[in-house]
Amino acid sequence: SQQGEEDPQALSIQEGENATMNCSYKTSINNLQWYRQNSGRGLVHLILIRSNEREKHSGRLRVTLDTSKKSSSLLITASRAADTASYFCATDGNAGNMLTFGGGTRLMVKP
Amino acid sequence: DAGITQSPRHKVTETGTPVTLRCHQTENHRYMYWYRQDPGHGLRLIHYSYGVKDTDKGEVSDGYSVSRSKTEDFLLTLESATSSQTSVYFCAIANSGFDEQYFGPGTRLTVT
Repeated sequence: SQQGEEDPQALSIQEGENATMNCSYKTSINNLQWYRQNSGRGLVHLILIRSNEREKHSGRLRVTLDTSKKSSSLLITASRAADTASYFCATDGNAGNMLTFGGGTRLMVKP
Repeated sequence: DAGITQSPRHKVTETGTPVTLRCHQTENHRYMYWYRQDPGHGLRLIHYSYGVKDTDKGEVSDGYSVSRSKTEDFLLTLESATSSQTSVYFCAIANSGFDEQYFGPGTRLTVT
């Protein structure tokens, strides 16, 4: 079963718009991570937020974490066509040594 | 890509044959992981290693075995391939179980 579940499953926006993806998880965590996957490629780590953090920024990315609701969001501002990819959240949960990935959000940014 | 390679990159094999996939890293990371990615299931952990000769099962370990005889290499073996094991397999490495993971380019395996 998947610890993290992304919402929406697919998102289509115009270049320049913001994109927001959400992730919900079930058990307590130490960290939550977001990854990007371009078609046919391996996943690339974007950002890690610890359970005692509420918000984190990296360039055009903003991640929030609400441990009381067991949810996180990834905001990509001023999106570009190159942001077209699938985005996954991953949590360590109670397993410690491993991450559990959600099913991903497929983002399409139209030029 | 952070010094991590997978071989082969593509393989077609017949049902019942053994298959071994190799993951090689040059980063000296302690942790190594094998995932499979299928439409509708996202990324699922097969096995992982937390050191040389130290391995543990993941979510979907049935039908797979692994070995890690040295830090750099993590092998995934399908003892007798089945069509349900047709998938894209990714290897990942990490410094610790809580750190970000770095992924290889993937191996596309087709079992006919």
